[in-house]
Amino acid sequence: EDKVVQSPLSLVVHEGDTVTLNCSYEVTNFRSLLWYKQEKKAPTFLFMLTSSGIEKKSGRLSSILDKKELFSILNITATQTGDSAVYLCAVPTQTGSARQLTFGSGTQLTVLP
Amino acid sequence: NAGVTQTPKFQVLKTGQSMTLQCAQDMNHNSMYWYRQDPGMGLRLIYYSASEGTTDKGEVPNGYNVSRLNKREFSLRLESAAPSQTSVYFCASSDQRESSEQFFGPGTRLTVL
Repeated sequence: EDKVVQSPLSLVVHEGDTVTLNCSYEVTNFRSLLWYKQEKKAPTFLFMLTSSGIEKKSGRLSSILDKKELFSILNITATQTGDSAVYLCAVPTQTGSARQLTFGSGTQLTVLP
Repeated sequence: NAGVTQTPKFQVLKTGQSMTLQCAQDMNHNSMYWYRQDPGMGLRLIYYSASEGTTDKGEVPNGYNVSRLNKREFSLRLESAAPSQTSVYFCASSDQRESSEQFFGPGTRLTVL
C-alpha cells in the first residue's frame, strides 16, 4: 500500500526561527514529490521534486529530495507569521486505473509574533 | 483566468437529502479530481476523470457519483447524504502528465446533520 507520512504533525515557533518539515514515502513507481501550502482554503503549489539531491528554492523556502532514503524535507528560514499554514506533501500514485496524488496528513505550522 | 471554481462554498444537509457539488476549470486541463479532507486525514481521492467521458473510482468512492459533463466541468453528487460525509470537498485539475501539479478550487464545506 502506498504511504506518505509527514512529521511533525504540528509545530509552534517564533518569528525568525528556522523550521524543517519532513515527508517520507513508500510508493511503487515513484516519479515525483510535491509540496503544497494550505491556509484555511485550497492547497497552493510550492515545489515539485523529481531528482535526488537537487535543492529547489523560492525565497525563504527550500526543499530537497533523497530518493535513496525515500524522504524529502521542506525548510523555511526566518519564519514570519504569514508562514502559518498546513504544509502538505504528496506523491503521484495509482489506485486501480485512477491516477491520483496521495497526500500525507500535513504539518500544522504556527508562527508566533 | 478564474482557475478552478466550486459551488457552493457552504452547505448544510439533513441525513438522506441529496445534492450536487459543481466544479469548473478554465485552464483546458484534461484531468479533474474530487477529494475530501477530514481532520488529521490529509486529502483523499473520491473520483477522478482523465478526460471528458471517463471517470474512475479513487480511494473513497462509496456514497458518491460523478459526471464529467464536458472538458470544463466535473460534478460530484451525494444521492443520500450521511453524517460520515461531513467534510471539506476540493475539486482539482491538472494536465494529463501523471506527475504534474494539480490546481485546487476553494473548497465546499459540507455538514450533514
